[in-house]
Amino acid sequence: GAVVSQHPSWVICKSGTSVKIECRSLDFQATTMFWYRQFPKQSLMLMATSNEGSKATYEQGVEKDKFLINHASLTLSTLTVTSAHPEDSSFYICSAPRGGDLSNQPQHFGDGTRLSIL
Amino acid sequence: GNSVTQMEGPVTLSEEAFLTINCTYTATGYPSLFWYVQYPGEGLQLLLKATKADDKGSNKGFEATYRKETTSFHLEKGSVQVSDSAVYFCALRGGGGNKLTFGTGTQLKVEL
Repeated sequence: GAVVSQHPSWVICKSGTSVKIECRSLDFQATTMFWYRQFPKQSLMLMATSNEGSKATYEQGVEKDKFLINHASLTLSTLTVTSAHPEDSSFYICSAPRGGDLSNQPQHFGDGTRLSIL
Repeated sequence: GNSVTQMEGPVTLSEEAFLTINCTYTATGYPSLFWYVQYPGEGLQLLLKATKADDKGSNKGFEATYRKETTSFHLEKGSVQVSDSAVYFCALRGGGGNKLTFGTGTQLKVEL
């Protein structure tokens, strides 16, 4: 069964709305989680690394104020797309490795959230 | 930096055909290599992995061998099924930490 749960799976909202996406590890503690963005027919682009108890690490070119990440507990990370616009429409996927970033364990992926901004 | 190059899709095969999806990589050091599969509307699932040269990862009839001399990790399956239709991503993890670098993905469509 799934070990990483992502919610919601689909969001449609108006331009200017802020949208929160949750990523939960179900049967393990995740000190690190990763957030990816996937454009249609393209690869996954790592947006940021979410760290429990500290600030997220953003990849080059990703706007920190646009994509707010909060790693509230050892099993929950949230991505908030602030003041979303149509160009933010995409498929967002989170992942988490068991044992943390340096565990050398494979990452477990959520089922993704399809965000559509009208 | 690290990079992964995959053959472009889509790849369309008849059921029971032989599958090869090419993957080559560029990385410093000794990366771990992965194949992930994404079924329609879902997230990624780990299909197989290899952590050192000459290792062969295998799962569900799929295989891939870590070839350091050719920096490749090609995915193969001897007889594909309709249920194998999905997008396949080659990925590497290197340089410490758990950050993955993905290829662009290859869509596979298997027809009866």
